[in-house]
Amino acid sequence: AQSVSQHNHHVILSEAASLELGCNYSYGGTVNLFWYVQYPGQHLQLLLKYFSGDPLVKGIKGFEAEFIKSKFSFNLRKPSVQWSDTAEYFCAVNSAAAGNKLTFGGGTRVLVKP
Amino acid sequence: DTGVSQDPRHKITKRGQNVTFRCDPISEHNRLYWYRQTLGQGPEFLTYFQNEAQLEKSRLLSDRFSAERPKGSFSTLEIQRTEQGDSAMYLCASSPYSLNTGELFFGEGSRLTVL
Repeated sequence: AQSVSQHNHHVILSEAASLELGCNYSYGGTVNLFWYVQYPGQHLQLLLKYFSGDPLVKGIKGFEAEFIKSKFSFNLRKPSVQWSDTAEYFCAVNSAAAGNKLTFGGGTRVLVKP
Repeated sequence: DTGVSQDPRHKITKRGQNVTFRCDPISEHNRLYWYRQTLGQGPEFLTYFQNEAQLEKSRLLSDRFSAERPKGSFSTLEIQRTEQGDSAMYLCASSPYSLNTGELFFGEGSRLTVL
C-alpha cells in the first residue's frame, strides 16, 4: 500500500523567507505526485503535479517541487513567501496499483507573519 | 460556479441520528470520490464511483456508511446511527475519466459534528 509522510506539521515564517516542505512517499512503482493547498475557509486546490519528465515542476503562485526518485521525495519550495501563502499544504500520491485514488499526507500548516 | 458543490456545508446532529450529505460533481466528470478529513489529518479515502458504479470502498467505510450515485450524476453519503467519532469534514471530489492520473477537483466539504 502506498503512504505519504510530511515531515513538518506546523511551519511559521516571516514574509520574504524561503519555504521548503518535505514529502516522502512509500511505493516502489510509477507514481503521480501532487501538492494541494487549502487556504483558510476554502476548498482543496491543486498547486502542482508531477506525472513524468522534468523532475522539477512549477506550479501556481511561484511554487515548485522536485521529484527525487531515489529518495522517494517530492519536496515543495517557494523562494520568497507572502502573507497570502498562509494555508495548509498536502502532499498526495497516486499509483496504478492503488487504483484511481489519491493518498494524502497529514498536511503542513504554514503561517506567514506579515 | 461550475465546481463541485456539497450540501449541507455544516450539520450538527445528536448521536444515533442518521445524516445524509449530497455532492454534485463537475458536470462532465464521471468519477466521484468521497474522502473524510479530521482535524490535523489529511483527507482519507472512503469510496469512489465511476458513473453509477461504486468501484472501491475503504475499510474505513463501516456498514453504517452507504454511498450512492444512482444516475451517475450527484451522489449521496449516508451515515446511520452516528457516533461521536464520525465528526469530521466529508469531502467530495470529481475527475473526468480521461484524466486518468489521480488529479481531483474538490468541493468545500460538509462538516459533521456529532454531539
